[in-house]
Amino acid sequence: EIVLTQSPATLSLSPGERATLSCRASQSVSSYLAWYQQKPGQAPRLLIYDASNRATGIPARFSGSGSGTDFTLTISSLEPEDFAVYYCQQRSNWPPLITFGPGTKVDIK
Amino acid sequence: QVQLQESGPGLVKPSETLSLTCTVSGYSISSGYYWGWIRQPPGKGLEWIGSIYHSGSTYYNPSLKSRVTISVDTSKNQFSLKLSSVTAADTAVYYCARRTGTGAQEFDYWGQGTLVTVSS
Repeated sequence: EIVLTQSPATLSLSPGERATLSCRASQSVSSYLAWYQQKPGQAPRLLIYDASNRATGIPARFSGSGSGTDFTLTISSLEPEDFAVYYCQQRSNWPPLITFGPGTKVDIK
Repeated sequence: QVQLQESGPGLVKPSETLSLTCTVSGYSISSGYYWGWIRQPPGKGLEWIGSIYHSGSTYYNPSLKSRVTISVDTSKNQFSLKLSSVTAADTAVYYCARRTGTGAQEFDYWGQGTLVTVSS
């Protein structure tokens, strides 16, 4: 079973700063990785799919990169509404399984 | 606009079966995509429960497989979750979502979630 690890657990930044979030897989997932944003009391929102493709309506300040086992979500300049928890997600062929990382909380410094 | 809405009891007794339904609007389940359930215990992360295709093919998280059944009713544009023999550890917000069939198989549309508490 592929395990996803996210770092750091918490990232304390100020509005306007750049955020760099990491997701590492225990074995290669090719580019089959997605990122989600979740705010308190809300469902997760898809940000990035297939490692680097922005989902519909997602602002350009969000970007994803990486392949294999190491992936990065970058928020180029934090807006007040970006303070949230971010999860990565992958799928494996065998066993056919979808797993999420433990999340990174981006909070206001 | 694709919308999903979970419905079902918010309180279930230990050892009983949790039953939830997801009603989809703005898209016909019969047209394709996979449809899934994800849960989130209070204050914790996300756990995939399982997914179903409109044809009825199912995929379950091995850790829950023995207790989970997901079914689809295309005539009502709904899909459902049953989780048997529940314990307090099954207390969570349960989300239904649409899942793509390619790449990361990401979930692009989500319901708002429904809190299910397991307690006597």
